[in-house]
Amino acid sequence: DQQVKQNSPSLSVQEGRISILNCDYTNSMFDYFLWYKKYPAEGPTFLISISSIKDKNEDGRFTVFLNKSAKHLSLHIVPSQPGDSAVYFCAARALFAGGTSYGKLTFGQGTILTVHP
Amino acid sequence: EAQVTQNPRYLITVTGKKLTVTCSQNMNHEYMSWYRQDPGLGLRQIYYSMNVEATDKGDVPEGYKVSRKEKRNFPLILESPSPNQTSLYFCASSPRGASHEQYFGPGTRLTVT
Repeated sequence: DQQVKQNSPSLSVQEGRISILNCDYTNSMFDYFLWYKKYPAEGPTFLISISSIKDKNEDGRFTVFLNKSAKHLSLHIVPSQPGDSAVYFCAARALFAGGTSYGKLTFGQGTILTVHP
Repeated sequence: EAQVTQNPRYLITVTGKKLTVTCSQNMNHEYMSWYRQDPGLGLRQIYYSMNVEATDKGDVPEGYKVSRKEKRNFPLILESPSPNQTSLYFCASSPRGASHEQYFGPGTRLTVT
């Protein structure tokens, strides 16, 4: 049961244009969402996060939007650069009754972004 | 340099031969976690630890054990490896829990024949 889904395995974008990466989730108990970027032969690196009490968080060229009613979040990269070419993972943390599960994190399958010069 | 280290980076072993993948962080982080990455499945959490002597299961804990006897180390133990545990493994740490930025190690490529 995939609770976090990234339905687009890959995305190709021209340099300077906007990249939009999407992520859908099913668990209404998710209260925090994160995006990680991964280059080949390296571990993932943190990009940006958003709490479920917000609908937008911005950090430089990166903006994450959260639509709780649709259980959907997206990562916008503007403008896209060739160095942004990587695999992008969205992840979600569930807050369970009793608040004991702050450590559990569920990732999506990842989307390969290619930015062409 | 602040980092998470994993050893070994590459390992080929046979079914049933116990192995340990070590993970160490030098950032005094409370939270540590293990993930495996498989094609089409993304990253899946195996175990995590909120602090010393506090470990809990992630989404795919079967066939794995962990321990957290000291803050900096979080080894992953495969008591009897099987071919379906062939994967790329990542260890990560964070100052406080899964909602905070996690720092990942470089990965361990494990092949079980």
